[in-house]
Amino acid sequence: DAGVTQSPTHLIKTRGQHVTLRCSPISGHKSVSWYQQVLGQGPQFIFQYYEKEERGRGNFPDRFSARQFPNYSSELNVNALLLGDSALYLCASSLGAGYTFGSGTRLTVV
Amino acid sequence: DAKTTQPNSMESNEEEPVHLPCNHSTISGTDYIHWYRQLPSQGPEYVIHGLTSNVNNRMASLAIAEDRKSSTLILHRATLRDAAVYYCILMRSNFGNEKLTFGTGTRLTIIP
Repeated sequence: DAGVTQSPTHLIKTRGQHVTLRCSPISGHKSVSWYQQVLGQGPQFIFQYYEKEERGRGNFPDRFSARQFPNYSSELNVNALLLGDSALYLCASSLGAGYTFGSGTRLTVV
Repeated sequence: DAKTTQPNSMESNEEEPVHLPCNHSTISGTDYIHWYRQLPSQGPEYVIHGLTSNVNNRMASLAIAEDRKSSTLILHRATLRDAAVYYCILMRSNFGNEKLTFGTGTRLTIIP
């Protein structure tokens, strides 16, 4: 079975632009979460979706938004990019106990 | 969120057991203890979790203190592939419906 897949793997954007990151969960997993990991720190929770409904939101500004589609895939959108948004963005899916993470999207804002 | 405390870094020799400690003195009765690890350039990977009793799986063992204020992740025979950052995380449920609150974790270095 394919694991959690994220696209793109790497991305370079300019300040002020917007970006869309995509995630496909493991087949059958209905819960998708997004995390931001800045270099040298642990991942920080951004959003969780379950059955297309938002179930949790971390302490991130409204520039960050997400959605989950009927096939349980998900998108994370970030508007008005700042230099500080440069990070590894991780997607995780779950069916029960334990989350499976993708390898992430490395976003660089210049 | 209940907090956990882990050493910043540890070293171990290859093929020897490794004991990674975690303190969680404010744990509540319904908190599960989860361990994840993150290898270089990869997303975190689930290792093991438990509530009260010690747990074993193919990757590791989890020893939970009787008062549940601390736990130890045990890698029985470390290999170079075990070099990673290990995170100890408390979760209120056993299901994938709540967030993971990562700390800074323990960076484990394996010495050949």
